Amino acid sequence: DIVLTQSPGTLSLSPGERATLSCRASQTFTNDYLAWYQQKPGRAPRLLIYAASIRATDIPDRFSGSGSGTDFTLTLSRLEPEDSAVYYCQQYAWSPWTFGQGTKVEIK
Amino acid sequence: EVQLVESGGGLVQPGGSLRLSCAASGFTFSSYDLHWVRQPTGEGLHWVSAAASTGEVYYSGSVKGRFTISRDNAKNSVFLQMNSLRADDTALYYCAVVTGDGIYWGQGTLVTVSS
Repeated sequence: DIVLTQSPGTLSLSPGERATLSCRASQTFTNDYLAWYQQKPGRAPRLLIYAASIRATDIPDRFSGSGSGTDFTLTLSRLEPEDSAVYYCQQYAWSPWTFGQGTKVEIK
Repeated sequence: EVQLVESGGGLVQPGGSLRLSCAASGFTFSSYDLHWVRQPTGEGLHWVSAAASTGEVYYSGSVKGRFTISRDNAKNSVFLQMNSLRADDTALYYCAVVTGDGIYWGQGTLVTVSS
């Protein structure tokens, strides 16, 4: 199985700052089928990015995804208070899907 | 609009069974693979099983031999039959699908295994 490792575990930043979240895969996978999700307590995961860099419908352009191969990044520019959440990466190239352990973003 | 609606969760004793359902709409159901993903309270996301459009099925090691996934293309539904349930199966269960324009998830159905 492909192992996804996210870093850092927790990020504490102020509104207006930039957050950079990393997701490293144990091996490359087809077509960079890498997604990023935001999850708030009691809610289902919300798709932010798929295919490594394509923003999902209705996602603001301050969320951006980049990377290829085994190294991927989610950037949240100009943080807002409502961005406080846990962020997960996921590979969906083939079964089993695998997920990173999550990065918690705290807004000071 | 793609919609996935899970049902069938509840409280069950260890060793018991439950059957989850996921009703889909807004896409050509028979053409896509359907997945189940679970999330224990306060923990991360874990893939459980998939039913491919080809008819193939896949399972995680932790549920293989206990869970059975199936799909009914005429009813646009996917099912997860869960037998020999254990306390560590307690989680919110989501169904999900990858289409050409994204990855869609339902809101989940809660399974609690406890005596």
